[in-house]
Amino acid sequence: EAGVAQSPRYKIIEKRQSVAFWCNPISGHATLYWYQQILGQGPKLLIQFQNNGVVDDSQLPKDRFSAERLKGVDSTLKIQPAKLEDSAVYLCASSLVVAGVDTQYFGPGTRLTVL
Amino acid sequence: GNSVTQMEGPVTLSEEAFLTINCTYTATGYPSLFWYVQYPGEGLQLLLKATKADDKGSNKGFEATYRKETTSFHLEKGSVQVSDSAVYFCALTTNSGNTPLVFGKGTRLSVIA
Repeated sequence: EAGVAQSPRYKIIEKRQSVAFWCNPISGHATLYWYQQILGQGPKLLIQFQNNGVVDDSQLPKDRFSAERLKGVDSTLKIQPAKLEDSAVYLCASSLVVAGVDTQYFGPGTRLTVL
Repeated sequence: GNSVTQMEGPVTLSEEAFLTINCTYTATGYPSLFWYVQYPGEGLQLLLKATKADDKGSNKGFEATYRKETTSFHLEKGSVQVSDSAVYFCALTTNSGNTPLVFGKGTRLSVIA
């Protein structure tokens, strides 16, 4: 079974530029998450989708971050404009609920460096 | 709110030593508990999980027992290898399904030959 795919793996941009990340979840997984992992910390949720609807975006800085999941499969996360503090690894995860337990599977992440 | 606290790292052990990484949690209701591992340059991989009190999760020689009375989920391994060097994250979700993970800060383990 193919895992969660993400691209690009690495991105370096200057502050105030724009950047977009792509995620393809495991086939059949209805729920998709984007997490931000700052160096030395655990991942923190940015946004959660159920199919193509947003479930939770309370932690998403909406003045600069946006995300969509058209057709309920692939998702893109965009930052516009980027700030220095956005330097982090952006992780995508998808999940399937089995017997009431939600187990999330993560992609390799995109490491963003903002200069 | 829900939170996870795990021991500060880094932890450095010799090969074949016994490993314990402490994890305690605060949660409403009855959470499911997880350990994820992150090898250098890679994403998070699920290591093991437990969904109810007294459950023991195990995988690759690692074990953790869900202790409701002490709100803990400590990770243990009897004999570590160099290949176990990684960052380990304790995490929880509430047991209603389709909820985001709440992570601890991670504990870096280095195993030396």
